[in-house]
Amino acid sequence: SQKIEQNSEALNIQEGKTATLTCNYTNYSPAYLQWYRQDPGRGPVFLLLIRENEKEKRKERLKVTFDTTLKQSLFHITASQPADSATYLCALLYNQGGKLIFGQGTELSVKP
Amino acid sequence: DADVTQTPRNRITKTGKRIMLECSQTKGHDRMYWYRQDPGLGLRLIYYSFDVKDINKGEISDGYSVSRQAQAKFSLSLESAIPNQTALYFCATSERTSSRSTDTQYFGPGTRLTVL
Repeated sequence: SQKIEQNSEALNIQEGKTATLTCNYTNYSPAYLQWYRQDPGRGPVFLLLIRENEKEKRKERLKVTFDTTLKQSLFHITASQPADSATYLCALLYNQGGKLIFGQGTELSVKP
Repeated sequence: DADVTQTPRNRITKTGKRIMLECSQTKGHDRMYWYRQDPGLGLRLIYYSFDVKDINKGEISDGYSVSRQAQAKFSLSLESAIPNQTALYFCATSERTSSRSTDTQYFGPGTRLTVL
């Protein structure tokens, strides 16, 4: 079965630095890869989507890359701020079945 | 979040009790989902419905049942609650726009369920 792995350890960085989160998957590549943000006690919120034929996507301070050879997506937050502190989830969508498969998430903490 | 609402937000119950969690949406989406979230395990799909007459089991459906009463309403039932069903439950919706739908999901605020 398909497996998704995100860094299980929390990522702690200093304000202003770039945060980089990793999402690795096994077996075949998805049609789409999505990133969500989740704050404690709240539902995930969609941030960005990247398609299998795209290498990179940007939105304001966010950047997502997708390497189907490495079976990996990287999620970058530049000029990080304490307000960026949250758990970030990656999710994969395969054409078959049309259901998202979520990783377990990586907690990011940005210190002032 | 206001477009997808869940009731109750918190519930404490005892083993063996029947529990229903409700989800309503005003987004006009066809697709609705129920997930549970446990620490370290991420979101796991319980049931999903692509329209009112289409209901499917997800990864962890045992011990749960669902009802899609209308396009806007999707409820999750625990017929006889047990302690390992203690978790945070989320409802989500997505829009079916075409065969190439990206299935971006919109989540409710969650229901924290504790089974004693």
